Amino acid sequence: GENVEQHPSTLSVQEGDSAVIKCTYSDSASNYFPWYKQELGKRPQLIIDIRSNVGEKKDQRIAVTLNKTAKHFSLHITETQPEDSAVYFCAARANNLFFGTGTRLTVIP
Amino acid sequence: GAVVSQHPSRVICKSGTSVKIECRSLDFQATTMFWYRQFPKQSLMLMATSNEGSKATYEQGVEKDKFLINHASLTLSTLTVTSAHPEDSSFYICSAYRPTNEKLFFGSGTQLSVL
Repeated sequence: GENVEQHPSTLSVQEGDSAVIKCTYSDSASNYFPWYKQELGKRPQLIIDIRSNVGEKKDQRIAVTLNKTAKHFSLHITETQPEDSAVYFCAARANNLFFGTGTRLTVIP
Repeated sequence: GAVVSQHPSRVICKSGTSVKIECRSLDFQATTMFWYRQFPKQSLMLMATSNEGSKATYEQGVEKDKFLINHASLTLSTLTVTSAHPEDSSFYICSAYRPTNEKLFFGSGTQLSVL
């Protein structure tokens, strides 16, 4: 099956700075790459996604880039705010959705 | 966004008992639902894929006789943890695939504690 690796596992940034989380995947058939934000004890919430026919997608302070050749994709959060603090998961889907190991983001006020 | 309801949110049971967790898609028909398990501070591990009207597909290492999955309708999938033991204690989350926008929506999760 798909193998999704995610780095870093923890990330601390000052409020207002940018945060970047990177993921790699193994299955070249994967064509859908969502990112989820999960607060403690709550359900994962989809924050942005990208499909394999697009190289970049942006939604306000959040952007995702995809490099199909290298099989990696990244989440970029600009102008971070304390409420951005959470665990972020990348995922990749060919047939089923497989998650990365998660990144705990802490935004320091 | 679409709503997926999962119940119960928390259950505490004695070792050896069975626990049923329900996952419902409230405003769309989900031909496919997924069950994940999440340990503290870890990622979501796919346990099985549940297809309406057919047998579930289990991931390697997941005991199908222990984790019974039933997807009898387009809006309901159930996970039954049979003869639960303390090592089964975990956070279980379901998700439902909405084909109209090809997105996955998650239930709120069930924290299972087996004493």
